[in-house]
Order: sequence, then C-alpha cells, then structure tokens
Amino acid sequence: QVQLVQSGAEVKKPGSSVKVSCKASGGTFSSYAISWVRQAPGQGLEWMGGIIPIFGTANYAQKFQGRVTITADESTSTAYMELSSLRSEDTAVYYCARVSRTYLIAAGAFDIWGQGTMVTVSS
Amino acid sequence: DIQMTQSPSSLSASVGDRVTITCQASQDISNYLNWYQQKPGKAPKLLIYDASNLETGVPSRFSGSGSGTDFTFTISSLQPEDIATYYCQQYDNLPHTFGQGTKLEIK
Repeated sequence: QVQLVQSGAEVKKPGSSVKVSCKASGGTFSSYAISWVRQAPGQGLEWMGGIIPIFGTANYAQKFQGRVTITADESTSTAYMELSSLRSEDTAVYYCARVSRTYLIAAGAFDIWGQGTMVTVSS
Repeated sequence: DIQMTQSPSSLSASVGDRVTITCQASQDISNYLNWYQQKPGKAPKLLIYDASNLETGVPSRFSGSGSGTDFTFTISSLQPEDIATYYCQQYDNLPHTFGQGTKLEIK
C-alpha cells in the first residue's frame, strides 16, 4: 500500500521561500498525480496544484500562479512544493495527496494523503 | 472556479441518529463529487468517491447520493468515532474545490 511521508515543520520569515517534500513508498509513483492541498489554522481545504511525475508538467490554482512550483523526482519517488514570497497568510498545514486515477490531475479523488507539514510564517 | 456550498456548517447529534449533510455546486458537476472525513490534527480521509461509491474499508453506515448540482452525505447511525469535520470536493473542473466543511459533534 502506498504511503506518502512529508518533511518536517518549518518556520519561515515573511518574504522567504519554503520547500516541502512528499516521498512515496510501497507502490507505483510516477503514473499517479500528486496534488498539494493546504489548510490554514481552523479553516477549510484549499487545492494549490498538482503534478503527474511521469509527465513532469504541473497545473496550479490561479491564486498561487507565480508563487508556487511543484516538481517531482521519479528516481526518488518524491514530489516537492515550493512556495515563495511567503506572508503570514501562508501559515498553514500543507498536505500532499495522491489522485486516485492514473495519468490525470483533474479527475478522481484524493485517496492517499501525507501526514501534513506545518509551515509557520512569522517575523 | 466552481463554488461548493455545504450545509449545515455545524451539527450536533446523538449516537444512533441519522445524520445528513448537503453540498451544492455552483454549476453542474455530474457525479464528480467526493466526501472526506477529517479528525483534529489528522489528514483528511476519503469516504465516498464519485458521489455514491464507498471507498474500500469504509463502514457501510456512510453513504452518498446526488448528481448535477445537489449532493447528500448520510451517516445512517452515528457512532462516537464519527466525530469529525466532513468536506465535499468537486473534480469536474480545475481547480479542485472543497466545501467549507461541516463540523459534527455529539449531543
């Protein structure tokens, strides 16, 4: 069974960048999209973007265009999400999640989730 | 973006009660609708996919229905371990969007 393990909590200054990793183990990685979803404290879920590792191209939510970069390394079965120009409103738990259908970012459910990475933006 | 409106935003019910949550999409999304359960401090868990299909391993007291713009999520007999926040999510169009969540509490 595939598991997604994320990197640890981060504390960042406003204006800096953060890069969160999501390593897959126990199954196929490259043909399933990995999406990134964030959750601000006490708030709901927000999709940021996703990537299909075998294709290497990412789709991003308009809200994050220009600030987020999602990449994947097939050799290590790891996906990454980098968010730049951080502000206090970016304080959130960031989750990676696998999309249930192969070769599609847009279709399917988020069937496997990482444990979440807390990113705190504070001066 | 497709807006997903869940109701109610919070709900208090007794063990054994039938609980219903609704989710309305701002446009027709066919059956491209999923439901998740999130317990405090944990990642969301997929319960229902494609509006009415039960994810493997999920208890049969959970169910979903609907198509188009109106969807329903039901717990047939509430158990103490069902205390959580529930979210709907559409995947008809990018960006994926979620409802604002329904926080379920025990009365």
